[in-house]
Amino acid sequence: QKEVEQNSGPLSVPEGAIASLNCTYSDRGSQSFFWYRQYSGKSPELIMFIYSNGDKEDGRFTAQLNKASQYVSLLIRDSQPSDSATYLCAVTEYGNKLVFGAGTILRVKS
Amino acid sequence: DTAVSQTPKYLVTQMGNDKSIKCEQNLGHDTMYWYKQDSKKFLKIMFSYNNKELIINETVPNRFSPKSPDKAHLNLHINSLELGDSAVYFCASSQVRTSGGGTDTQYFGPGTRLTVL
Repeated sequence: QKEVEQNSGPLSVPEGAIASLNCTYSDRGSQSFFWYRQYSGKSPELIMFIYSNGDKEDGRFTAQLNKASQYVSLLIRDSQPSDSATYLCAVTEYGNKLVFGAGTILRVKS
Repeated sequence: DTAVSQTPKYLVTQMGNDKSIKCEQNLGHDTMYWYKQDSKKFLKIMFSYNNKELIINETVPNRFSPKSPDKAHLNLHINSLELGDSAVYFCASSQVRTSGGGTDTQYFGPGTRLTVL
């Protein structure tokens, strides 16, 4: 199975700062890339998806994709304590199979 | 309305028992999945069905048997439960993306926490 790598963290940022979450993947054939947020004891919920190289913005969230470097990132602007969660990077392989990274724990301190 | 639902939410059972988890989606999606999230929070796919047909079957013990009676339901039956089966099991669904657009985003159910004693 191909791999998706994330720094497990925890990543600590002060309230109002920019949080930067990074992910690398090994399968060059991957076409779809996702960021999910998972609060403790809850199910993963979709934050953003991105298919093309470049940036994609949605509110305070920006996803960045660089297929040549096999790198995906998520920026969270104006971080809030409610953003504290585990962020899961996921990449699709054959058959729409999602391969998840181990997740990065984000802590936003007020 | 809940998009992807699972029952039960919690399941505590003894080693050696057989148990089932049910999943239903009302999103009209054509593909459903089962994932296992272990104690280290690593989420890994087990199975997926597209229009009732098995399309992904990862290296999972054959004690685990998925069943899809229709494309809105995907159940997971587990025989002879072992301690290592303790985990949270998530069901998910998606609509396979076509060249005309759409997204293959997967939407997750609330999870079933299985504890084997």
